[in-house]
Amino acid sequence: SQQGEEDPQALSIQEGENATMNCSYKTSINNLQWYRQNSGRGLVHLILIRSNEREKHSGRLRVTLDTSKKSSSLLITASRAADTASYFCAPHSGGYQKVTFGIGTKLQVIP
Amino acid sequence: GAVVSQHPSWVICKSGTSVKIECRSLDFQATTMFWYRQFPKQSLMLMATSNEGSKATYEQGVEKDKFLINHASLTLSTLTVTSAHPEDSSFYICSAIPMLANEKLFFGSGTQLSVL
Repeated sequence: SQQGEEDPQALSIQEGENATMNCSYKTSINNLQWYRQNSGRGLVHLILIRSNEREKHSGRLRVTLDTSKKSSSLLITASRAADTASYFCAPHSGGYQKVTFGIGTKLQVIP
Repeated sequence: GAVVSQHPSWVICKSGTSVKIECRSLDFQATTMFWYRQFPKQSLMLMATSNEGSKATYEQGVEKDKFLINHASLTLSTLTVTSAHPEDSSFYICSAIPMLANEKLFFGSGTQLSVL
């Protein structure tokens, strides 16, 4: 398995602003997934982008993937206080391979 | 979306007792489930991979006799923390990969274990 490294580790923005967080990984992947974790809860799957995709949208979320740079970014537009959470990326080799997580990006959206 | 149910949500136990945590996939079958633990303000640490019908695969440094994993059916995996001690207090989270759609990981809501 491989682990993504999120950057920045912490991000604080005002409600309505956009939030961008980045993910880097080291080896080739089949897909990359982003998850959100609210404090004291399990992780929620946000979006999956496959290695042959460059950009994907889901509501206010926009994910990009650059396999040549082994990096991905998650953009949350028009942030809301409810977006306050930790965000994790998970580079995945596909199949039933185990998934490990980095430290994540802790996002705080100030009302 | 797929649902993973984890019980209990929180448990308090005395030192020396054993605690069982259940992880159920409610609307899909999963041959593979994962168990993680998470300390406050830290990331999830993978403890083991639970495989239906076979022995779990433990990560380095995780005591298999301490953390017993049983994956007896395609919808249920259990983690038993045996002879719990205060240092076992942590947030435990399970996840499962659907057999028929093995790209996404679905997580339970976690179990907060406090050992007195």
